[in-house]
Amino acid sequence: EIVLTQSPGTLSLSPGERATLSCRASQSVSSSYLAWYQQKPGQAPRLLIYGASSRATGIPDRFSGSGSGTDFTLTISRLEPEDFAVYYCQQYGSSPKTFGQGTKLEIK
Amino acid sequence: EVQLLESGGGLVQPGGSLRLSCAASGFAFSSYAMSWVRQAPGKGLEWVSPLSGSSSTTYYADSVKGRFTISRDNSKNTLYLQMNSLRAEDTAVYYCAKGSSMRSDYYFDYWGQGTLVTVSS
Repeated sequence: EIVLTQSPGTLSLSPGERATLSCRASQSVSSSYLAWYQQKPGQAPRLLIYGASSRATGIPDRFSGSGSGTDFTLTISRLEPEDFAVYYCQQYGSSPKTFGQGTKLEIK
Repeated sequence: EVQLLESGGGLVQPGGSLRLSCAASGFAFSSYAMSWVRQAPGKGLEWVSPLSGSSSTTYYADSVKGRFTISRDNSKNTLYLQMNSLRAEDTAVYYCAKGSSMRSDYYFDYWGQGTLVTVSS
């Protein structure tokens, strides 16, 4: 089973700042099958990024994903108030499909 | 428009049973794998069980193996999760999620709103 470790656990930033979230895998993620989801309180997760760097439909271009192998990054270029949420990475190249424990992005 | 609507959650005593349903619309249901993903209060996401479009391939998390059974009725566009021998640690919001492709290397492109299962005496 591939274990995903996200860092930091909590990130405190202000609107307009740049956010960098990390997801590290315990073994290589095949074909960069890595996704990122955003979850706001009381809501279901929403797909942001798949294939490590492809934005899902309707996702603003301030969200970008990068990385390969065992190290992946989600970057939000300029934070908007609606971006403060919890972010999860997930690998889907091998079974079981596993999630990271999440990074909470909070307003500073 | 893809829609996933879960139902069947509620309060149940330890050792009891519940059956969750997920009614799907807006896509060719029988062509896609579907999954149940749960989230305990204040915790992260756990992939509980997937089922391929043809019901030929499935998996269960160790935490639910032998107690939960996933199934689907493609004629009704509905996914199910039969949960038996429920424990306090099964308390969670249960989400139905659609696989993104017809292959096994899918991510979850659509999620339902979730249904809360509370196991308590």
